[in-house]
Amino acid sequence: DAKTTQPPSMDCAEGRAANLPCNHSTISGNEYVYWYRQIHSQGPQYIIHGLKNNETNEMASLIITEDRKSSTLILPHATLRDTAVYYCIVGVGAAGNKLTFGGGTRVLVKP
Amino acid sequence: NAGVTQTPKFRILKIGQSMTLQCAQDMNHNYMYWYRQDPGMGLKLIYYSVGAGITDKGEVPNGYNVSRSTTEDFPLRLELAAPSQTSVYFCASSPPNRAYEQYFGPGTRLTVT
Repeated sequence: DAKTTQPPSMDCAEGRAANLPCNHSTISGNEYVYWYRQIHSQGPQYIIHGLKNNETNEMASLIITEDRKSSTLILPHATLRDTAVYYCIVGVGAAGNKLTFGGGTRVLVKP
Repeated sequence: NAGVTQTPKFRILKIGQSMTLQCAQDMNHNYMYWYRQDPGMGLKLIYYSVGAGITDKGEVPNGYNVSRSTTEDFPLRLELAAPSQTSVYFCASSPPNRAYEQYFGPGTRLTVT
């Protein structure tokens, strides 16, 4: 059973904000939302995570709805280097805790 | 720091051959992982380790073996290679207090023919 649902692809304009949605309606109370991205032919890269509060770091912002059933990753000023597959993952974050990388959203940033 | 390194980058195996994929990290991370990624798919966890001498199965362990004799190294052994093991293999590591923050190597692209 998939724990998260993401759109398969989306385009965004360079310099604009990219808003990547993720549904996780069966999330448990102790599960976090993690976001990774994978640039073509490279290993995935951790971006951000959150439990219930909104989070921001140098790469992105994470907005989690109050009921925690969905979240949005925001890339505030997308650049061409942000073109990648973005994975939304739900888990408790312990080692080997099966960070399950599903299909992700293929984001294409266009000039 | 070199981070997570993997060798080789590419390899072609014949059916039935064996090989070891090497993985090393220099970040003193306790946790290490092996994933495989089939074309157009997400990653699947093969094995993981929480420290030297401790390993455990992930989602798809069949056909693979691992060992963890040091903190730095986590080799993955393929015995009797099969075409179904054609994939890109990623090794990752993470610190114990942030197990979710995994650092990945560049991957090994393996073809079994």
